[in-house]
Amino acid sequence: DQQVKQNSPSLSVQEGRISILNCDYTNSMFDYFLWYKKYPAEGPTFLISISSIKDKNEDGRFTVFLNKSAKHLSLHIVPSQPGDSAVYFCAASTGANSKLTFGKGITLSVRP
Amino acid sequence: NAGVTQTPKFQVLKTGQSMTLQCAQDMNHEYMSWYRQDPGMGLRLIHYSVGAGITDQGEVPNGYNVSRSTTEDFPLRLLSAAPSQTSVYFCASRYRGVKGTEAFFGQGTRLTVV
Repeated sequence: DQQVKQNSPSLSVQEGRISILNCDYTNSMFDYFLWYKKYPAEGPTFLISISSIKDKNEDGRFTVFLNKSAKHLSLHIVPSQPGDSAVYFCAASTGANSKLTFGKGITLSVRP
Repeated sequence: NAGVTQTPKFQVLKTGQSMTLQCAQDMNHEYMSWYRQDPGMGLRLIHYSVGAGITDQGEVPNGYNVSRSTTEDFPLRLLSAAPSQTSVYFCASRYRGVKGTEAFFGQGTRLTVV
């Protein structure tokens, strides 16, 4: 049973527009959520995170929104740039010592 | 500061062969883990360790062994390689005990079993 779901496998947006990447989860015990970005032939790199006590966290062009009642989070990238083209993974954890559970990832393509 | 270093980057094995994927980190992270990435499957946890001498299974542990004799190293052993183990393997590390700290990943090992 997949606990972290990224239902859209790909997203294509125009440069300068907003990219919205969605993630749903089923485990109500998750209390920390993270987004990772992965380029081909490289390891994933951390992008942004949010605690379950917050509903929004912003870092430059990246904002993550958390809707606990809907068990849904989203990553907004504004404005999107061609260098943002990558695979984005949503991940979640329960507690400080627990493992990260990842979604399947979504491939973002930003068209010049 | 090298971060997380994985070796080798590429490997081809014959079915039935064994090998060890190496992972080392120089950040003094207590928590280390191994993931495999397959098309359409995302990152799946194989084994993890919360400190030297302590290991535990993830969601896909069959066919793999790990040990953690030092804080720095967390090797992954394939006991008898099978074509189903063809994948890209990532090692990751992070601090333990601090909520939500991000994991740092290595560059990956692309393994093909023929």
